[in-house]
Amino acid sequence: GAGVSQSPSNKVTEKGKDVELRCDPISGHTALYWYRQSLGQGLEFLIYFQGNSAPDKSGLPSDRFSAERTGGSVSTLTIQRTQQEDSAVYLCASSLFGGSNQPQHFGDGTRLSIL
Amino acid sequence: AQTVTQSQPEMSVQEAETVTLSCTYDTSESDYYLFWYKQPPSRQMILVIRQEAYKQQNATENRFSVNFQKAAKSFSLKISDSQLGDAAMYFCAYRSATSGTYKYIFGTGTRLKVLA
Repeated sequence: GAGVSQSPSNKVTEKGKDVELRCDPISGHTALYWYRQSLGQGLEFLIYFQGNSAPDKSGLPSDRFSAERTGGSVSTLTIQRTQQEDSAVYLCASSLFGGSNQPQHFGDGTRLSIL
Repeated sequence: AQTVTQSQPEMSVQEAETVTLSCTYDTSESDYYLFWYKQPPSRQMILVIRQEAYKQQNATENRFSVNFQKAAKSFSLKISDSQLGDAAMYFCAYRSATSGTYKYIFGTGTRLKVLA
């Protein structure tokens, strides 16, 4: 079956531009997570969705970052006025429910490079 | 705040041998979950093994097993009979069991090389 799909795979953009990253979770998965992975670092939690609501957005690093989820399915992570420190791999994961006994299924990520 | 530390940036193991990857964590909570994830060069993270803190028995999944020492806040991963396909980045992760908590905290990872 289809796994978590992220697009684009790679994105290069100029500093100051806005970018949108997309995540298509596994069908039927109600929980969705966004993470950021900088070079040589572990995964940094950004935001968690349960359905269309985000009960935990504590990891968003600044107000330039926002995310939404529609129809309990596709999610977009938007970064406004990008900065060079935003360069990283952005990973999305989904699970059937939000409970920690549910394994997360990860996408391949979007590699974002800010020039 | 909880933290997860992986002190070995890189490890090597000969094919068919056994290797242990270290992970320590810091928390004031008594109930939580610990995970090991594998990230091969393809970038897709895969769950290797999961441990509930309230369980004393160490989790095992085929060639993968953990040594969970709750008092020492240590959670190491042992890979037996290492295979070339085990080469990857391995991340240790923590999640609180407190209701309404969804955040996973990851370590910085250990790169495992498997030598033929």
